[in-house]
Amino acid sequence: DSGVTQTPKHLITATGQRVTLRCSPRSGDLSVYWYQQSLDQGLQFLIQYYNGEERAKGNILERFSAQQFPDLHSELNLSSLELGDSALYFCASSTRTAGAQETQYFGPGTRLLVL
Amino acid sequence: DAKTTQPPSMDCAEGRAANLPCNHSTISGNEYVYWYRQIHSQGPQYIIHGLKNNETNEMASLIITEDRKSSTLILPHATLRDTAVYYCIVKGNAGKSTFGDGTTLTVKP
Repeated sequence: DSGVTQTPKHLITATGQRVTLRCSPRSGDLSVYWYQQSLDQGLQFLIQYYNGEERAKGNILERFSAQQFPDLHSELNLSSLELGDSALYFCASSTRTAGAQETQYFGPGTRLLVL
Repeated sequence: DAKTTQPPSMDCAEGRAANLPCNHSTISGNEYVYWYRQIHSQGPQYIIHGLKNNETNEMASLIITEDRKSSTLILPHATLRDTAVYYCIVKGNAGKSTFGDGTTLTVKP
């Protein structure tokens, strides 16, 4: 158990809909990262927040957005969902905002299926 | 962050050492080498990291060549539960970690 929690574990929805994925980082961690892993593909970095502020952006679609709240939990919002958005979504947390020596601890993921 | 190259798959006999190589020839002086693994569709699990010295923890050992252009992750006594995809990542100051395709390690009885 990494200490990072994600809800829900599974989510089934229809195209065009909007969903929200939630992540609670490890106690004391200020940074939260979101990754997408489609079937048979590697982990794609989406976005990083540190203490409520966006710090790095990866290949995140404009239909997707995220935020980190004062209690440090984070939400990833996916809208106008398409079939291709079906994937595993992982959240990770770490103690430092940047710097090369920064270990990320991953949550169990949310499996999203868009029908 | 520097790009890494790993073999797509490897097999290892149960109880033997598994040696997983990684090439990172463009690594910069301040970039660390990290190893994670992902068992089936679970969240990636941190294994070990290092800068230039060899490192060992309860899970594995990390051997980094003197020129830092390659490294090897060693699982000393592989078990069936070590079957997973192993990712070698070079991490700089950008914050994000770029995961490649990794090496699928299959431990066989």
